Amino acid sequence: GAVVSQHPSRVICKSGTSVKIECRSLDFQATTMFWYRQFPKKSLMLMATSNEGSKATYEQGVEKDKFLINHASLTLSTLTVTSAHPEDSSFYICSAPLARGTSYEQYFGPGTRLTVT
Amino acid sequence: AQSVTQLGSHVSVSEGALVLLRCNYSSSVPPYLFWYVQYPNQGLQLLLKYTSAATLVKGINGFEAEFKKSETSFHLTKPSAHMSDAAEYFCAVSNTGFQKLVFGTGTRLLVSP
Repeated sequence: GAVVSQHPSRVICKSGTSVKIECRSLDFQATTMFWYRQFPKKSLMLMATSNEGSKATYEQGVEKDKFLINHASLTLSTLTVTSAHPEDSSFYICSAPLARGTSYEQYFGPGTRLTVT
Repeated sequence: AQSVTQLGSHVSVSEGALVLLRCNYSSSVPPYLFWYVQYPNQGLQLLLKYTSAATLVKGINGFEAEFKKSETSFHLTKPSAHMSDAAEYFCAVSNTGFQKLVFGTGTRLLVSP
């Protein structure tokens, strides 16, 4: 089956530093990937759509300069949280769509728990 | 715009009892509907999906859901709950499945012995 990985699974960083999260589609190519943020006991909120070879599309209210997204290849998208602050602490999840028959399915990574101290 | 409403942030059942998790959607185009399950500190696993074919959709782990256009609903059911079903369940809607998903607020299923 299709597998999406994320690295790291957990990261703790100090306030003011930057942290990079990788999302990889291991056995399929993904021209598009999605980045979600999940607050404790809350639903997933789409942050941005990552497009291979072009700029990411950010949802309203998401700071482009703070959450840098780079879709470097057909199997890798990265999310960099710049100048992180405690309020950026959250669970970040990526997904990638894969055609299944006449439709698509989104395959999710296992998530990355970011804690900013 | 699309949206999903999940009624009940928590649902408690006894092991062996019927599980019913409610989901209502709003969409201006024929929707693609999904149910995902999430275990603590993990990503999401697809339980089942509706993509305009059969209205009764069977998924993994004994779950199924019925698409009812007249009620704009896509409720998730399982005849007999198992302890391992305890998790967070999310209903989601999309235009095509390829595009972004809009999630409901989630329902935590608690299963007691």
